[in-house]
Amino acid sequence: AQKITQTQPGMFVQEKEAVTLDCTYDTSDPSYGLFWYKQPSSGEMIFLIYQGSYDQQNATEGRYSLNFQKARKSANLVISASQLGDSAMYFCAMREGPYQKVTFGTGTKLQVIP
Amino acid sequence: NAGVMQNPRHLVRRRGQEARLRCSPMKGHSHVYWYRQLPEEGLKFMVYLQKENIIDESGMPKERFSAEFPKEGPSILRIQQVVRGDSAAYFCASSLRQGWGMEQETQYFGPGTRLLVL
Repeated sequence: AQKITQTQPGMFVQEKEAVTLDCTYDTSDPSYGLFWYKQPSSGEMIFLIYQGSYDQQNATEGRYSLNFQKARKSANLVISASQLGDSAMYFCAMREGPYQKVTFGTGTKLQVIP
Repeated sequence: NAGVMQNPRHLVRRRGQEARLRCSPMKGHSHVYWYRQLPEEGLKFMVYLQKENIIDESGMPKERFSAEFPKEGPSILRIQQVVRGDSAAYFCASSLRQGWGMEQETQYFGPGTRLLVL
């Protein structure tokens, strides 16, 4: 079974609009961490946001927020007020287990339209 | 530059040669991870190391691949007798320490090494 599932291979969003990128995960470990990374066309991996399994509140970092629904095992990324520079691949990832092995999803390619 | 450093950024090898990829973690980070990314795919975990120790190598191919993180110097990912299927981007990441919470857990990535095997 896939540990991390990103069902949207590609997404379009109009500049200045909000967009939600979906991520579901599968784990039986009660302690885990969820991450979102951005990979622009230049190739580097940029950390965006983190959510711990015991965190009570949804994580926010500037224009990024994580819609964490524990019972549904979903950790969707919400980008508000999209900018052209947001065009990139976005990867959801999960750390589970004692050795911080991280599993990545297949990614969602976001394109922001002017 | 206080970030994770990787070199070389691009590496071209012929089949049968050896590839050595280097990674210097962020200052203060003692945990290093290597990932491989094939074109149009996500990152696949390869190995997790601390200084002088391999913690988890469950993602490493059984043959030709090895990794080390010596007491002094960068972490090295070595691929012996490369084949065309080894062509990929290899990313190194580092984290502060093991534990829970964003500060401890978050892995920061280097720019990657693009390996091309001819």
